[in-house]
Amino acid sequence: EIVMTQSPATLSVSAGEGATLSCRASESVSSNLAWYQQKPGQAPRLLIYGASTRATGIPARFSGSGSGTEFTLTISSLHSEDFAVYYCQQYNNRPPWTFGQGTKVEIK
Amino acid sequence: QVQLVQSGAEVKKPGASVKVSCKASGYTFTSYGINWVRQAPGQGLEWMGWISPYNGGTNYAHNVQDRVTMTTDTSTSTAYMELRSLRSDDTAVYYCARDRRIAVAADAFDIWGQGTMVTVSS
Repeated sequence: EIVMTQSPATLSVSAGEGATLSCRASESVSSNLAWYQQKPGQAPRLLIYGASTRATGIPARFSGSGSGTEFTLTISSLHSEDFAVYYCQQYNNRPPWTFGQGTKVEIK
Repeated sequence: QVQLVQSGAEVKKPGASVKVSCKASGYTFTSYGINWVRQAPGQGLEWMGWISPYNGGTNYAHNVQDRVTMTTDTSTSTAYMELRSLRSDDTAVYYCARDRRIAVAADAFDIWGQGTMVTVSS
């Protein structure tokens, strides 16, 4: 099973600042990597798929990059609604699909 | 609009079974795979398995494969996840989630149900 490791566990950021979240895979997943946002009491929401393609309706301040084993989610300027937990997920080749443990972006 | 609506919260005793439903609307149900993902309280996301509503094909995570059965009813556009021999560590919110692309099993999940809380307690 491919292990996904996210860092940091918690990121304290002020509104208006940028944030960079990292995700590392234990083996190459090519570009088969998604990012999700989850707010308390809500289901996850797809932000990015294919490592760098924004899902429908996702603002341009969210961007994804990387391939192979190293991936990054960048939020260019945090809005109040962006404070949440972010998960990466790999879906390369064959199951099981695996998620990182999450990065909580909190208000500084 | 495209949505997945899940059944309500359940409380079960250890050793019992639970069956969670996920009703799809707004799209052709048989065209997209359905995944089940769970989240224990305060924890991360865990993929449990996948089913094709087109042909009933399934793929289960190793840690639940002996206790889980995923099915679909195409006449009502509903997917089901049954988990047997429940334990306290099965306490979690269970989500259904749709594959993003038609007939592509290896994909991100673009539509999620609202979640179903399953509590296992004596």
